[in-house]
Formats: sequence, structure tokens, C-alpha cells
Amino acid sequence: GDSVIQMQGQVTLSENDFLFINCTYSTTGYPTLFWYVQYSGEGPQLLLQVTTANNKGSSRGFEATYDKGTTSFHLQKTSVQEIDSAVYYCAMRDTNAYKVIFGKGTHLHVLP
Amino acid sequence: EAAVTQSPRNKVAVTGGKVTLSCNQTNNHNNMYWYRQDTGHGLRLIHYSYGAGSTEKGDIPDGYKASRPSQENFSLILELATPSQTSVYFCASGDANWVYEQYFGPGTRLTVL
Repeated sequence: GDSVIQMQGQVTLSENDFLFINCTYSTTGYPTLFWYVQYSGEGPQLLLQVTTANNKGSSRGFEATYDKGTTSFHLQKTSVQEIDSAVYYCAMRDTNAYKVIFGKGTHLHVLP
Repeated sequence: EAAVTQSPRNKVAVTGGKVTLSCNQTNNHNNMYWYRQDTGHGLRLIHYSYGAGSTEKGDIPDGYKASRPSQENFSLILELATPSQTSVYFCASGDANWVYEQYFGPGTRLTVL
């Protein structure tokens, strides 16, 4: 079945560092890919969707690029800030059902 | 004002007891979902619904029941709570045409002693 793999459980960076969170997927269909963010004490919220038009998605300074060859859609940000500290989930729409498959999440901790 | 609300926000239950978690949404979305969140597992889907009167099993439905009496309300029921069900539970709603964009509530922290 469809799956999403997010290996990094925790990432610790300093302000202005470059962020890269790895995510790969497996599906027999055409993927619909996106990233969610969850701030402390809140529920997750949609951060960005990777569109098929240009294989990219961006929001709030974050960018994700879809690579069909490596079945990946990593999340990047050039310069992280302390307010970016949160849990980031990569996700994909299940091709066979009206539901979303989430990765296990990456806890980003940005030091001031 | 918040479009997806959950109650209670915190709950302590005893093993073998019955627990009902409630969710209300004002988004007028057809789809609603219940997830649990655990360290190392991320978000896992328990039950979901396409509309009033419908419930579907998600990926980990064992030990849980769901009820969707109206468009706005979706409940998660633990008939016989066990310590392994200690977790944070999230409800979400979503438009049937935009399945990927789900709107989450603030979560309910459940502890089963």
C-alpha cells in the first residue's frame, strides 16, 4: 500500500541555519504531496502543497520540491528562525481512499 | 473563532471505563477524522466519516468506535479503556473535494490509569 517515510525524528539547528528534512514516498498511483506543521500545544496545520504544475510548493519561506525519480519531496528553508521550532509532517493523499497518510514527523528545535 | 473544537481537552480515565471524546466543526465539511498522536508513530488514523450517519475504519480502529450523528459532530468512543490508549487524540475536518487539506482541533490528552 501507499506509504510515506520520514526518517529524521529530531533536528536541532541554530538561527539562520539551513533546514533540510528528508521525506520519501511509495505509491502505485500519481501522488498528491504536502507538508503539515504542528506548533506546541496546537493541532497540525497545512504548510504547503507540492503542485504538479512545477513540482514545487512554497509557503512562509519553506519550499518543497517533488522528484519523481527519487520519489522524494524534501522540505527546505534557507534560514530558520526560533519561531520555526515545531513538528513537521510530510504527507500524501492515499490513492485508494479519502484519507491522508502522514509520516512520523520531524521535531525541529531552533536555538536562539 | 476556532472552527474545530474538542472536548474535553484533558481526561483521566480508569482501566475498563468508558470514554467518549467529542468533536465539533463549523466548517460545514463532509469529512471528519480521528487520529492519535504518539512519539515515534506520528499521526495514525483511527476512524473517519464521509458525512452524517457514516463511519469508516482507519488504520488502527481496534478498541475504538466512532459516531457521526450530524454534519457538525463526530465522537470517538472507548468502550473499555486500556493504558495502551493513553495518547493525544486529534479530530480534523476536511472538504470532500480537497482531502489533503484537513483542519485540526487542539487535541485531547487522554491518560488511562
